[in-house]
Amino acid sequence: EPEVTQTPSHQVTQMGQEVILRCVPISNHLYFYWYRQILGQKVEFLVSFYNNEISEKSEIFDDQFSVERPDGSNFTLKIRSTKLEDSAMYFCASVQGGEKLFFGSGTQLSVL
Amino acid sequence: DQQVKQNSPSLSVQEGRISILNCDYTNSMFDYFLWYKKYPAEGPTFLISISSIKDKNEDGRFTVFLNKSAKHLSLHIVPSQPGDSAVYFCAARINNNDMRFGAGTRLTVKP
Repeated sequence: EPEVTQTPSHQVTQMGQEVILRCVPISNHLYFYWYRQILGQKVEFLVSFYNNEISEKSEIFDDQFSVERPDGSNFTLKIRSTKLEDSAMYFCASVQGGEKLFFGSGTQLSVL
Repeated sequence: DQQVKQNSPSLSVQEGRISILNCDYTNSMFDYFLWYKKYPAEGPTFLISISSIKDKNEDGRFTVFLNKSAKHLSLHIVPSQPGDSAVYFCAARINNNDMRFGAGTRLTVKP
């Protein structure tokens, strides 16, 4: 079965540094999402992306965050200046146009 | 933002018995509800869903019930198996937009 792939699986960074989390959604999917889960807490929506633009974003997704689909296959999440509270598991997801999201296995981001 | 709530952080049941996971929501505009299952070190995987126009959807051992007047849905697993042990997330969606997740319930099925 096709799957969403995320790299790296673990990312350690210093506070204030920029990080880019990478995702390759399923090839014929049209909608792309980033979610995050802070340890022990719920899965939180960050942003949705459709037709090369952000269609919805949460209050978490402030000016420090940006997303990009630089080519036909990659979907990236950039955090410009990381904070300690950005430490979380970040999940990329995609959907063709129905309801069932396909998630990647996540990138564990640790900000020191 | 507490639009989707799962008030039980954990549930433990005996193998072969029924597992009932509950979820409440506050936004009456949600039109689609889903359950996802998550194992450690993996992303959530889709389990079962229900449209807001239905009150029940069944798929093998899994049944989801929706009570719109109470803004409540539940997932029934019967019979429960040890391989069902995972964290279960309830999710709700409006018009293909962002999906809101509950905090999750950790199900443990004991042999």
